[in-house]
Amino acid sequence: EPEVTQTPSHQVTQMGQEVILRCVPISNHLYFYWYRQILGQKVEFLVSFYNNEISEKSEIFDDQFSVERPDGSNFTLKIRSTKLEDSAMYFCASNVRTADTQYFGPGTRLTVL
Amino acid sequence: AQSVTQLDSHVSVSEGTPVLLRCNYSSSYSPSLFWYVQHPNKGLQLLLKYTSAATLVKGINGFEAEFKKSETSFHLTKPSAHMSDAAEYFCVVSDQAGTALIFGKGTTLSVSS
Repeated sequence: EPEVTQTPSHQVTQMGQEVILRCVPISNHLYFYWYRQILGQKVEFLVSFYNNEISEKSEIFDDQFSVERPDGSNFTLKIRSTKLEDSAMYFCASNVRTADTQYFGPGTRLTVL
Repeated sequence: AQSVTQLDSHVSVSEGTPVLLRCNYSSSYSPSLFWYVQHPNKGLQLLLKYTSAATLVKGINGFEAEFKKSETSFHLTKPSAHMSDAAEYFCVVSDQAGTALIFGKGTTLSVSS
């Protein structure tokens, strides 16, 4: 069964450094999402992406964040200058159409020191 | 604004006994509602989904949920718990555009033998 994959599973970085989290959505999916879960808190929507554009973003998704689909398979989340409060589990998801079931990857745990 | 409230942060049951995980939602429109499960070190997996068809929704692994508009509830049940059901369960509502998913805080289900 096709799955969403994410790399790395765990990333440790110093405050102020740039990080790129990578996701490979399911191959025939057209809509892509990032969510995050700070330890002990709710899973929160960050951004959705379709046709090489951001289609929706939350207040959390400020200028420090960007997303990109650099090729036909990868979908990336970049954080330009990490802060301590960016430490969280980041989940990628995808679906064929908006409002369809979103399929999630296993997550990347980001630790900012 | 849409929201979900999971009424229990932790539920403990014995193997073979029924499971009830409670969820209330708030929405200004007819929502799509979901239950996702997360096993340790795994991604979020869809258990079941309600999208205004039948109010009793059957999902995977023997789980089901009933949409009750009058009570704004979407409780998850299973007649007989199995050890493998131990996991974190999330009640989720989609936003009006059907894009962003809005998560509850999660309920940890523990199953003892």
